Amino acid sequence: GNSVTQMEGPVTLSEEAFLTINCTYTATGYPSLFWYVQYPGEGLQLLLKATKADDKGSNKGFEATYRKETTSFHLEKGSVQVSDSAVYFCALSPTSGNTGKLIFGQGTTLQVKP
Amino acid sequence: DAGITQSPRHKVTETGTPVTLRCHQTENHRYMYWYRQDPGHGLRLIHYSYGVKDTDKGEVSDGYSVSRSKTEDFLLTLESATSSQTSVYFCAISFGLAQETQYFGPGTRLLVL
Repeated sequence: GNSVTQMEGPVTLSEEAFLTINCTYTATGYPSLFWYVQYPGEGLQLLLKATKADDKGSNKGFEATYRKETTSFHLEKGSVQVSDSAVYFCALSPTSGNTGKLIFGQGTTLQVKP
Repeated sequence: DAGITQSPRHKVTETGTPVTLRCHQTENHRYMYWYRQDPGHGLRLIHYSYGVKDTDKGEVSDGYSVSRSKTEDFLLTLESATSSQTSVYFCAISFGLAQETQYFGPGTRLLVL
């Protein structure tokens, strides 16, 4: 079946540090991959996406590359800010059906300290 | 924010009582979804709808029912609430050629005592 696994959190970094949050997936075919972010007390927001192998999604300084050979979609940012403190969710949308159903990882909490 | 609202935003209820949560959208999207968010589980799909009166089950549908009598409203009902249904509930809509991009509502925090 389809599944998403994220690195355990929480992740605590100092401001301007480099961020990597690992995400691996299991899926048949060619799913679309997503990173969503949830700020405290809010709903999820789409951060970036990639719909085919080797695509790189990017937004607000965050990047992730769709690696089919390693079934991974790791999130990176070169220099984090306190305002990046949030919960980050990796998700996939299976190839078939076009129903838009998303399968989420468990989420990784990021705390950035000044 | 794709014009998605949820009501109520917070609710406390007792075990065994029925509860209905409402999701309202203003942009005529065909697909709508209900998820629940629990620590350690991320978000899990409860039910989704692909049109008026067209719904299907998700991963964790037991104990929940849904209805969609109008494009703009998608209702989630807990027929007889249990403490295991204490959670944060999110509604979402999707768009794109393969419905691959979703926007989420602000969430409803439900506590079942």
